[in-house]
Amino acid sequence: AQSVAQPEDQVNVAEGNPLTVKCTYSVSGNPYLFWYVQYPNRGLQFLLKYITGDNLVKGSYGFEAEFNKSQTSFHLKKPSALVSDSALYFCAVRERADTGFQKLVFGTGTRLLVSP
Amino acid sequence: DAGVIQSPRHEVTEMGQEVTLRCKPISGHDYLFWYRQTMMRGLELLIYFNNNVPIDDSGMPEDRFSAKMPNASFSTLKIQPSEPRDSAVYFCASRPGTNTEAFFGQGTRLTVV
Repeated sequence: AQSVAQPEDQVNVAEGNPLTVKCTYSVSGNPYLFWYVQYPNRGLQFLLKYITGDNLVKGSYGFEAEFNKSQTSFHLKKPSALVSDSALYFCAVRERADTGFQKLVFGTGTRLLVSP
Repeated sequence: DAGVIQSPRHEVTEMGQEVTLRCKPISGHDYLFWYRQTMMRGLELLIYFNNNVPIDDSGMPEDRFSAKMPNASFSTLKIQPSEPRDSAVYFCASRPGTNTEAFFGQGTRLTVV
């Protein structure tokens, strides 16, 4: 079964500094990987995904993530953080399958706090 | 499109009462998912449908929980009878295909007192 680990409950960065939110995954085959963001009292909003192709994926609001198969990681990054990036970030994985249905499994979430 | 629409946004009910949560997926999306979010367990997949058919309900915690999708534009999640430990935010999400991301509704915050 697939699983996702987000080792940090919270990440603190100063505005203007680069940020990284870590994610590692486990699947028996090839993964589909996703990042979502959740603002207070809101649903999850899709940021970016890796399905196939280029390992560096660019998404919404200047975020990007790099798929690293050897390290089974999919860390979320942004070159320059904004205070408005403060939110809860979820990594998710689904195993790629030609047949059958695969669940999307979410990590426990990492709270990003960007200070002015 | 207005996105995934959930109702109500907030629900407060007494223990033992029946609760029905509603979801309208995005038109044309073949998959529909119900998730529950709590501080203790994070996001849990309860059940999902493909083309209105329930595919995997292994995440449904107990027989008190049931979900239906009578047509492509409507789904319900029912809890009967409700208990305080059911208090959580319940999300509905839909997805158009296999290689795509899911789109989430705003959620229903359920409080059982």
